[in-house]
Amino acid sequence: GAVVSQHPSWVICKSGTSVKIECRSLDFQATTMFWYRQFPKQSLMLMATSNEGSKATYEQGVEKDKFLINHASLTLSTLTVTSAHPEDSSFYICSAPSTGIREDTQYFGPGTRLTVL
Amino acid sequence: EDQVTQSPEALRLQEGESSSLNCSYTVSGLRGLFWYRQDPGKGPEFLFTLYSAGEEKEKERLKATLTKKESFLHITAPKPEDSATYLCACTSYGKLTFGQGTILTVHP
Repeated sequence: GAVVSQHPSWVICKSGTSVKIECRSLDFQATTMFWYRQFPKQSLMLMATSNEGSKATYEQGVEKDKFLINHASLTLSTLTVTSAHPEDSSFYICSAPSTGIREDTQYFGPGTRLTVL
Repeated sequence: EDQVTQSPEALRLQEGESSSLNCSYTVSGLRGLFWYRQDPGKGPEFLFTLYSAGEEKEKERLKATLTKKESFLHITAPKPEDSATYLCACTSYGKLTFGQGTILTVHP
């Protein structure tokens, strides 16, 4: 199956600093990637769709100036949490679709645990 | 608005005790229904994709089925290593809508 990696796997930062998370598709190209956020004991919530060569599309209620997304190449998307605060602490997961026979199957990265002190 | 509802929220089984997890969906323009397994602190691991009512797929002790309104994930003779959260998701127009998941615990 398709492999998606994320880096770092965890990060602890002070309030007010910015944190960058990388998402890479290792064995396939992805013009679109997705960023999710997951709080403890909750399901995944889509934050934004990252598009190679164009602006990201954000879901309702997600601050685009706070969560900066850059789709630098066909295998790399980055999420930067700017001026992070404790309420931004969460598990961030990216996914990338690998074209299937009838519908793209999304493969997920291992996730990044962000803790803001 | 697309909705995906999973039941039960949690399920405890003894090793070898077969059971089923349910996923009900209300999605306009369903393109596919997906099952994922998620272990604590990790990203979801892809299990199955189902596209049309009547379709079934199997993988080891797991079997997924699909009707026009719901999907079932059947677990036959589960083992402790099957313990995880099982997520159901539907896609329409490229975006996945997830259910809340079922936390499965299999006791030896």
